[in-house]
Amino acid sequence: SQQGEEDPQALSIQEGENATMNCSYKTSINNLQWYRQNSGRGLVHLILIRSNEREKHSGRLRVTLDTSKKSSSLLITASRAADTASYFCATSGNTPLVFGKGTRLSVIA
Amino acid sequence: DAGVTQSPTHLIKTRGQQVTLRCSPKSGHDTVSWYQQALGQGPQFIFQYYEEEERQRGNFPDRFSGHQFPNYSSELNVNALLLGDSALYLCASSLARAPYGYTFGSGTRLTVV
Repeated sequence: SQQGEEDPQALSIQEGENATMNCSYKTSINNLQWYRQNSGRGLVHLILIRSNEREKHSGRLRVTLDTSKKSSSLLITASRAADTASYFCATSGNTPLVFGKGTRLSVIA
Repeated sequence: DAGVTQSPTHLIKTRGQQVTLRCSPKSGHDTVSWYQQALGQGPQFIFQYYEEEERQRGNFPDRFSGHQFPNYSSELNVNALLLGDSALYLCASSLARAPYGYTFGSGTRLTVV
């Protein structure tokens, strides 16, 4: 079963714009992670935020976590065509990673 | 530093057949997890192996079985294949004492016809 639900399911933006993806989950977590997947290939780890953190930055990525609302957001600033991919949130608690259904991001040059 | 290696990359099987997928974990990792990803969906957890034993299992039937070898590599076996087993199968390795650092392989694309 899926733990997280990403929103929106698909997002199309122009190069240089910011992209925001949201994730909601259902149970208690130790941490939440975001992954990127290009064209149905392997998953690439982007960033991890622990349950006691509220915000984290990595390069052009900014992740927030609100454990009271069981939600997270991923912001990609100044998007590039190479950012075109599917993005998944995954929660980690007492079980191995549980993924959402993902957001398909298209960045148009 | 080699990452996670999966083989084969693509596979076509007939309904009712059996298939074995292989995974070599990242150097230094001792835990292997398997995921099934249907088209347009997120990865679904199948099971996890550590110290050559199945440690946790997701909601998959007994047709799905696995094995971990002393060198930490792993196999995923699926018996009596169904059309619905067509998917991308992903292997992820991690370190038991630092369970949050997962490294994924590129996957095996299984098509059942």
